[in-house]
This record gives sequence, structure tokens and C-alpha cells, in this order.
Amino acid sequence: NAGVMQNPRHLVRRRGQEARLRCSPMKGHSHVYWYRQLPEEGLKFMVYLQKENIIDESGMPKERFSAEFPKEGPSILRIQQVVRGDSAAYFCASSFSDYGYTFGSGTRLTVV
Amino acid sequence: AQTVTQSQPEMSVQEAETVTLSCTYDTSESDYYLFWYKQPPSRQMILVIRQEAYKQQNATENRFSVNFQKAAKSFSLKISDSQLGDAAMYFCAYRSHDSTSGTYKYIFGTGTRLKVLA
Repeated sequence: NAGVMQNPRHLVRRRGQEARLRCSPMKGHSHVYWYRQLPEEGLKFMVYLQKENIIDESGMPKERFSAEFPKEGPSILRIQQVVRGDSAAYFCASSFSDYGYTFGSGTRLTVV
Repeated sequence: AQTVTQSQPEMSVQEAETVTLSCTYDTSESDYYLFWYKQPPSRQMILVIRQEAYKQQNATENRFSVNFQKAAKSFSLKISDSQLGDAAMYFCAYRSHDSTSGTYKYIFGTGTRLKVLA
């Protein structure tokens, strides 16, 4: 079991470009969560997805951010027209029950 | 809304000594879970220990134990026999459950950076 896989590990984008972050949950897990960690802060909830459904996106910025978890393939967090304030570490976590999350290693996005 | 507060931005401990990291939280729920996560420079979030609120007994995992005071809404982490590999950011987290959406959300504190001195 490879755990929660996130790629890329590091992503550099120029202002105005698009960033696509990928997350493959643990085998057997159908629940995916995305969190954002700004420098020197804790993780903050963004969105919760199940296969083909967004369940809770209350933590997602209203514009430029979107997430999906298709029937086949990884979950994708997409940030359009990135700005410097989007620079952060983005973590994905998966679970199949209420025991708790398993986190991936995160993607560090740097906007230059 | 639930909140989690870690009032110690940084702590230091001598190798082999004991250190306690503080965490307080606020909630109106009676049943919930609390967690401590370790984040080394690799950025990986590693679960250290978890506590179910309905259990009075404090959780223990090897050198790590908690002091859970439900009435005081306090959840401190004690690390015994500190090792150099314990140096990391430590985050306290509260898990809330939205019964409408079924979402389990973690609310994290701002973290405590632990330094272990050789």
C-alpha cells in the first residue's frame, strides 16, 4: 500500500498561470480531503470529495479554485490564474471510515 | 465554531528529557476526537496520538502520552526521553463532524516548533 500519493512535490508557476495538483488516495479509500498550509500556520480545510461528488467545499475560495475526484484517476485541485498569495503547501488526505485521515506529503506551490 | 489554540510557538528540550506541549480548544460538542500530528522538515504529516473524548483514560503511544482534561478543554502532549528525531513542528487538531454533509473536518492549531538539544 503506497499511501496517499501527491504530485508534483514542488510546483513553480508564474502569476496568471494554472496550477494542477494531483492526489491518489490510499487503496480502498473513497473519501478525499484537501487542505492548505500557509507559511508558519496550521492546515486549513478546503474541500471534501467522494467519487464524482463534491460533498463540502466550504473552505474553498469562491474564485479560481476548483476540485474534482473522477470515477477513474486521481483527485485534482486546480487553481487558475495563480497569484502570489496562492503560494502554500497543499495537502491531500484520504479515509474510508471515521478512524482518521492519512495525509500525503503535500505539494509546495510557489508562485513567482 | 470550534477553535484550537497552541500558545507555545517554540519549545526546546534537552535530549533524554521530558517536554510538554500545550493545546486548548473550544467546542460545544460532547463527542469528538483530538489528535497530535508531527510535521518534520519533509512536510509529511505524521499522526502521533489520538484521543476519543468519551474515553477518560489518557492515550499513550510509547514515549508519547497526553493529558486530556475535558472540562478544561485542554489536551497537552508529553514526550518522554526526547530524541533528536523528535525535532519537528507539532500540531494539535480537533476533528469536527458535520452531520448534514457527513464531513469530518480537522481544525488545526498554529503549531509548536520543538527543538531537541544534544
